[in-house]
Amino acid sequence: DADVTQTPRNRITKTGKRIMLECSQTKGHDRMYWYRQDPGLGLRLIYYSFDVKDINKGEISDGYSVSRQAQAKFSLSLESAIPNQTALYFCATSDLWAGTYNEQFFGPGTRLTVL
Amino acid sequence: TQLLEQSPQFLSIQEGENLTVYCNSSSVFSSLQWYRQEPGEGPVLLVTVVTGGEVKKLKRLTFQFGDARKDSSLHITAAQPGDTGLYLCAGAAGGTSYGKLTFGQGTILTVHP
Repeated sequence: DADVTQTPRNRITKTGKRIMLECSQTKGHDRMYWYRQDPGLGLRLIYYSFDVKDINKGEISDGYSVSRQAQAKFSLSLESAIPNQTALYFCATSDLWAGTYNEQFFGPGTRLTVL
Repeated sequence: TQLLEQSPQFLSIQEGENLTVYCNSSSVFSSLQWYRQEPGEGPVLLVTVVTGGEVKKLKRLTFQFGDARKDSSLHITAAQPGDTGLYLCAGAAGGTSYGKLTFGQGTILTVHP
């Protein structure tokens, strides 16, 4: 079984709809991240969490919110989706004890299309 | 804000050729990681380099961290079609960037049989 899972894998929605993307992990890692990937822009950090009570904004958090329901679960919400949020979304985890190396383990991604 | 400039953005070569991908920054990183991503999947960590001047080899892939820990390169010898994919460099640092990675834009490599 995959260590980091994301649901759904693909989603098509309309402008203005609320969308939730879910991430679960069995790696036992404390740190979890949400990224957005667009062609030619690499991975950009949306939100990250170092433990259940810790939530931090990344470089592109506007229009997004997150919830850390448990150590193993981290959800990303788009309150009112807009077309320029069409992208690939990745969840990642890392071990607290990785220190500044911060090697990350990624889920398979969610392809979101906003019409 | 820390930035990582990755080049080239696209690379299309024939099987058996050698290639180098570069990752440059004006910032110092505590470590530099390289990931490979295949279509429909998330990035997978290939290697982490930590010490300035460090060289690591992974079969036909050679990774180098610059002496000043501001740049890195990935060299592939005798590329094969199985090397095709998106290659991403990512830097880790302390201070306000602790626990986060800065990613380069990625290099899309296509190796033709």
